Amino acid sequence: NAGVTQTPKFQVLKTGQSMTLQCAQDMNHEYMSWYRQDPGMGLRLIHYSVGAGITDQGEVPNGYNVSRSTTEDFPLRLLSAAPSQTSVYFCASSYSAHAGRNGYTFGSGTRLTVV
Amino acid sequence: AQKITQTQPGMFVQEKEAVTLDCTYDTSDQSYGLFWYKQPSSGEMIFLIYQGSYDEQNATEGRYSLNFQKARKSANLVISASQLGDSAMYFCAMREGRNQGGKLIFGQGTELSVKP
Repeated sequence: NAGVTQTPKFQVLKTGQSMTLQCAQDMNHEYMSWYRQDPGMGLRLIHYSVGAGITDQGEVPNGYNVSRSTTEDFPLRLLSAAPSQTSVYFCASSYSAHAGRNGYTFGSGTRLTVV
Repeated sequence: AQKITQTQPGMFVQEKEAVTLDCTYDTSDQSYGLFWYKQPSSGEMIFLIYQGSYDEQNATEGRYSLNFQKARKSANLVISASQLGDSAMYFCAMREGRNQGGKLIFGQGTELSVKP
């Protein structure tokens, strides 16, 4: 099925470990982004990309790296996990810069716990 | 300062009645977009409706409509004929500028409970 695929769905890390959250879309969307959702809060932008090879920081980028080598994939790397990074992570994509009536398509999320 | 404010942490509505979820926003851009998303207990984010800042008419999508009052900077979601399946978190979000693909600013959400 077409859409945004995130893996894994659940992950437990120990403090200091590193890992990569995967995000892939098969809709030929240029624009992709990563958000985190903490309890009782809305989503906050971590990093975003306007096309292959182009990325930029969002509101809460510290502790995370991204790269965009292909249109389809936009992985999020946690360099040295901290308990403060316990959250639900969402990847989103859109075809156009303004998204408009098609909206942004979100993946199903990755629930990450750092102990 | 918060750019998206949802002042209702929780709302209750009787099945088959209409409900309005409030959203106010703050931006100095002339071109922007407003989105509403639904997040059921399963956790996925479901796109509901979009309003562009230059759209002259309020957006409608089935039972969802957006009451857009530009001068007041409000973009309230109206759900008509509520159903039990409407119980969920609802988020208002804004894209500032026309070419800010991927950059959404979210409010804190409103939890809607539909009573039978």
